[in-house]
Amino acid sequence: SAVISQKPSRDICQRGTSLTIQCQVDSQVTMMFWYRQQPGQSLTLIATANQGSEATYESGFVIDKFPISRPNLTFSTLTVSNMSPEDSSIYLCSVESGEDEQYFGPGTRLTVT
Amino acid sequence: QKEVEQNSGPLSVPEGAIASLNCTYSDRVSQSFFWYRQYSGKSPELIMSIYSNGDKEDGRFTAQLNKASQYVSLLIRDSQPSDSATYLCAARGYNQGGKLIFGQGTELSVKP
Repeated sequence: SAVISQKPSRDICQRGTSLTIQCQVDSQVTMMFWYRQQPGQSLTLIATANQGSEATYESGFVIDKFPISRPNLTFSTLTVSNMSPEDSSIYLCSVESGEDEQYFGPGTRLTVT
Repeated sequence: QKEVEQNSGPLSVPEGAIASLNCTYSDRVSQSFFWYRQYSGKSPELIMSIYSNGDKEDGRFTAQLNKASQYVSLLIRDSQPSDSATYLCAARGYNQGGKLIFGQGTELSVKP
């Protein structure tokens, strides 16, 4: 499986500000995904990020709020914009292996005050 | 019906027992299923994938898929306190570009 890192691992931010989360993979992957896990909840897909194309957002998530970049096959960023306390969550990136399996990064724990 | 459903638990079993975790799914998901383990404060870790009817074994873990009844289960034999975690069932959505749909997770507690 791929080795995935995320930065930052955690952050505390003030409402109204933005935070960019980075996801780095140690091998080239076609598909990267961004998930959100709110406290005590399961995982919800925010968007799928493919290199060379616009990210595909799930219902309830919009590009203005969660802009995503995918400049190459090993890196992606997710920005959480104009944050409110409701954005306090764990944000996870994942990648898909050649065997149809998805592996997750360690996550970014975001607290908005 | 939700696309992927799990009992939220908590499920409590004594050490050494078999833990049985269940998941049902709807017609809106495809035939690829995954079990993840998530320790508190950590990210999900893939344990098993299963695509065909029947059983798939890996060490103390056995995944079972029954397409006729639309359920997938995970058995953990000789449960250990270190198996205490939340177990997430996931299925791949139909024609949804690789999207995984997760159940709400079942919390497992293995008592020494």
